[in-house]
Amino acid sequence: AQTVTQSQPEMSVQEAETVTLSCTYDTSENNYYLFWYKQPPSRQMILVIRQEAYKQQNATENRFSVNFQKAAKSFSLKISDSQLGDTAMYFCAWGGGSNYKLTFGKGTLLTVNP
Amino acid sequence: DTGVSQDPRHKITKRGQNVTFRCDPISEHNRLYWYRQTLGQGPEFLTYFQNEAQLEKSRLLSDRFSAERPKGSFSTLEIQRTEQGDSAMYLCASSLGSGPGAFFGQGTRLTVV
Repeated sequence: AQTVTQSQPEMSVQEAETVTLSCTYDTSENNYYLFWYKQPPSRQMILVIRQEAYKQQNATENRFSVNFQKAAKSFSLKISDSQLGDTAMYFCAWGGGSNYKLTFGKGTLLTVNP
Repeated sequence: DTGVSQDPRHKITKRGQNVTFRCDPISEHNRLYWYRQTLGQGPEFLTYFQNEAQLEKSRLLSDRFSAERPKGSFSTLEIQRTEQGDSAMYLCASSLGSGPGAFFGQGTRLTVV
């Protein structure tokens, strides 16, 4: 079974600064995907970024980028130029197998302060 | 297309009553998932449909829970004889079969009193 661990229950950052959220995972599968989802107070989960495990190049989406270390089973999210709207719960998730169901971590509550 | 839609957004029910939730996925998505999220936790997988076929059910899905996806379109999740421990957010997600990366609905918040 897959496990996803987010060791930082809460983090805070000043507006315009950079913050990194940590995630480690465990799997015996070779083909899988990793995701970061954002869940603002309105509660809808929004896909932020995804990484295919077979790709060495780290994924980037505007201000969001990941540091994917496959051997270490680490998948951190870097948010640059933090904005107030980035305040949310962030979930790291693993997806794979024949059904691509997602296994989530417990989340990191990120607060961006003005 | 406005994304994944769930109805109702909130449901309060008395213990022992039956409840049914509906999910309308993104129209071209053939994969549909139900997850349950309790306070302070990440979502947990409940069940998965590919088109109209229910291909996987979690052990979290007791025999009081049943899900359907007739004709591979919308899906319903029914909970019979609700218990207080069923109180949670029920999330529906859909995706294309070509790869993962599910899109979530806003969820149905169930409170059992």
